[in-house]
Amino acid sequence: GQQLNQSPQSMFIQEGEDVSMNCTSSSIFNTWLWYKQDPGEGPVLLIALYKAGELTSNGRLTAQFGITRKDSFLNISASIPSDVGIYFCAGNSGNTPLVFGKGTRLSVIA
Amino acid sequence: DAGVTQSPTHLIKTRGQQVTLRCSPISGHKSVSWYQQVLGQGPQFIFQYYEKEERGRGNFPDRFSARQFPNYSSELNVNALLLGDSALYLCASSSYGGSSNEQFFGPGTRLTVL
Repeated sequence: GQQLNQSPQSMFIQEGEDVSMNCTSSSIFNTWLWYKQDPGEGPVLLIALYKAGELTSNGRLTAQFGITRKDSFLNISASIPSDVGIYFCAGNSGNTPLVFGKGTRLSVIA
Repeated sequence: DAGVTQSPTHLIKTRGQQVTLRCSPISGHKSVSWYQQVLGQGPQFIFQYYEKEERGRGNFPDRFSARQFPNYSSELNVNALLLGDSALYLCASSSYGGSSNEQFFGPGTRLTVL
């Protein structure tokens, strides 16, 4: 099935560092969502974006809906150990099904 | 308020068997979607139901079927299980309609096919 291009696949960072990850699609989307998944759990919604150019924050997390409507970015500032997990981007257009990226696995070294 | 609940949490079956997975959406949500997540991949869409009607179907064989009940809970059935059906099966609920495309996931059912 279709999946989005999400990068990087994995990251190892020091506690306190900032993190950036991005997602691209071959199709135009009306919605971009960012989720975090911990081992053995379902994905948890972090941020939802609905408008091209939109910049939305949730605590230390900031996400942007790309101007082209084909990409989105997630930044985490001042990472902490509990940020460890897999981050997924997802998008759709109208009422089409959500399409997910393959995820970015984040590891934080204390 | 309770989030999305799924049962069972884990399941082990053998090839050729049939399995039924269950999901209860967030109270007030009328749409349920099912996803399959294999190790190392993002969730793949299987079905969406809204008001008991199928609203979307992903690229999965006819061995996969689902239904939604009047109380908006849902079941996913998989017949003639194959080894490749081993995965985490996720249910997500949404209010559907308007500007809400946000889907909220349950903890999943881990299916192992031997």
